[in-house]
Amino acid sequence: QSALTQPASVSGSPGQSITISCTGTSSDVGNYNVVSWYQQHPGKAPKLMIYEVTRRPSGVSNRFSGSKSGNTASLTISGLQAEDEADYYCCSYIGSSTWVFGGGTKLSVL
Amino acid sequence: EVQLVESGGGLVQPGGSLKLSCAASGFTFSDSVIHWVRQASGKGLEWVGRIRTKANNYATTYAVSMKGRFTISRDDSKNTAFLQMNGLKTEDTALYYCTRHPAGFDYWGQGILVTVAS
Repeated sequence: QSALTQPASVSGSPGQSITISCTGTSSDVGNYNVVSWYQQHPGKAPKLMIYEVTRRPSGVSNRFSGSKSGNTASLTISGLQAEDEADYYCCSYIGSSTWVFGGGTKLSVL
Repeated sequence: EVQLVESGGGLVQPGGSLKLSCAASGFTFSDSVIHWVRQASGKGLEWVGRIRTKANNYATTYAVSMKGRFTISRDDSKNTAFLQMNGLKTEDTALYYCTRHPAGFDYWGQGILVTVAS
């Protein structure tokens, strides 16, 4: 159950778009459309931003979008805002009723 | 309003045991799959395990590193899930969250701190 691979950090300026990748294998990300993304501000619980690769929960800004290609899922944030600065985690179902998270990515809005 | 509230954390010696509780309200608890996720200080999220509903025989699964030491259970009459942790190690020190999973982990508790130290 190795963690999914995410870049440790990404940055962007207000108004720009950024993409965070989440790389797994053909046994997890590549095999199931059960990838979700979470935003976590310091000292707070994670917040669901994307589920089932592309679906956005009610109340989440449409600036957040998800996609997947092969063994890599991606979270794109468009029109970056200061409040988007946070840690982001991907998560994938990996079979046998188990899940695994990515290592997390720190987003800095410059 | 959906709420999940963890309790039961604290300081425990290596090799000791602790039982966490997750009290739920605002949704039909008995129909919900409950997961536990932990986060060591300054580190990432780590999936611990989950328990299904009565309709699925309260089936449980666990992360490999916790299998055999951790046990998840639930009491639907009290809208509460539990995480029994035995044989605790210093590396189990973390903030433990309970969360539900209808499609993605959509609601989370505030977390409860477990510290394993002598």
